[in-house]
Amino acid sequence: GAGVSQSPSNKVTEKGKDVELRCDPISGHTALYWYRQSLGQGLEFLIYFQGNSAPDKSGLPSDRFSAERTGGSVSTLTIQRTQQEDSAVYLCASSARRGTPLHFGNGTRLTVT
Amino acid sequence: AQKVTQAQTEISVVEKEDVTLDCVYETRDTTYYLFWYKQPPSGELVFLIRRNSFDEQNEISGRYSWNFQKSTSSFNFTITASQVVDSAVYFCALSEAPETSGSRLTFGEGTQLTVNP
Repeated sequence: GAGVSQSPSNKVTEKGKDVELRCDPISGHTALYWYRQSLGQGLEFLIYFQGNSAPDKSGLPSDRFSAERTGGSVSTLTIQRTQQEDSAVYLCASSARRGTPLHFGNGTRLTVT
Repeated sequence: AQKVTQAQTEISVVEKEDVTLDCVYETRDTTYYLFWYKQPPSGELVFLIRRNSFDEQNEISGRYSWNFQKSTSSFNFTITASQVVDSAVYFCALSEAPETSGSRLTFGEGTQLTVNP
């Protein structure tokens, strides 16, 4: 009965390093989303996975960003060669199917120094 | 393309006042879903309500009520007799029909509500 779990909760990295953020969705949820929330800003869509369909990557801001979802469950968001503007809270959400409410994790706060 | 606009960036009220948060959306689809989420200071996003485009009936849940009007593409949220614990950022969001590609949830910029004692 656990909710969406994200790790780490906080990550500080140096500019230029790669980072991996992990998301464990609610068991049985077929849809998984990544969003980014910069300080004082709204939620910016990054990528969306639905079952075995090809992911919707249209929100990824650059080719430094990539994500995968293994076995239809756990997802990893990877940011290569991090930049200071990548600093934000990265939120993962899952839903039972398209159109149903998203359940969000507590996010990973990424700080690039 | 879909778009959600929350024109009120910040609202400040005194406890027990009623407050309405505005949400206007744009979509080309005839079938879509609208949502409201609450983000308290602790940061987690809490789902409040989902409404589909074919159901214009207003909904009331305790002190919360929602007014969906397709004619004006609005989905406004009213809190009656506000309380300090209502202080949070509130996000309105839109999801186009599940059958269409993407089905991403597009959020508005959020409205920061502060309820003062």
